[in-house]
Amino acid sequence: TQLLEQSPQFLSIQEGENLTVYCNSSSVFSSLQWYRQEPGEGPVLLVTVVTGGEVKKLKRLTFQFGDARKDSSLHITAAQPGDTGLYLCAGGKAAGNKLTFGGGTRVLVKP
Amino acid sequence: GAVVSQHPSWVICKSGTSVKIECRSLDFQATTMFWYRQFPKQSLMLMATSNEGSKATYEQGVEKDKFLINHASLTLSTLTVTSAHPEDSSFYICSASPPFESYEQYFGPGTRLTVT
Repeated sequence: TQLLEQSPQFLSIQEGENLTVYCNSSSVFSSLQWYRQEPGEGPVLLVTVVTGGEVKKLKRLTFQFGDARKDSSLHITAAQPGDTGLYLCAGGKAAGNKLTFGGGTRVLVKP
Repeated sequence: GAVVSQHPSWVICKSGTSVKIECRSLDFQATTMFWYRQFPKQSLMLMATSNEGSKATYEQGVEKDKFLINHASLTLSTLTVTSAHPEDSSFYICSASPPFESYEQYFGPGTRLTVT
């Protein structure tokens, strides 16, 4: 069974601080997506990484895919209250196939 | 990004009745759509893969006779919760992948189902 483990499960920080969320698996994935979800809404795609060792930046967010394509991290620099939400990683084995989701990391950024 | 819509956004029904939820890809065709349910403060749990023109593939433990899925066109999949019970109350979310070997999945806004 494929399994994606996210850590930590919950993170509470002050505005301006940095944070990192980890997504780990014993399985190799062809792609890794990161989503952010707010209460009562569907997840919104932030990024897709497909190449081992790949690093992508989206403003203050930096995403990294492990060399072996088994793990990924999301780093937020100078977090803002608007970054509050549920962050989900999801791995895919092939294009168009179902995704395996991690358990999610709930991030709270206090002003 | 691609847009996926769901209807209704919320529904309240009585125990024993059936409820249909629609998922539409608005600006692309999707041969495959996915249905998830999510409990409060938890991650998404995949229920089934909806395949256009063929039967849906259900995940282990999901009752196919209770959660009927129909994918009649390249832009529409429906999930019908039959004989709903209070334990079926949940947040149901669909997703779809654009064609041409895309890894991305785009999610609908979700449907909140409450069974009384």
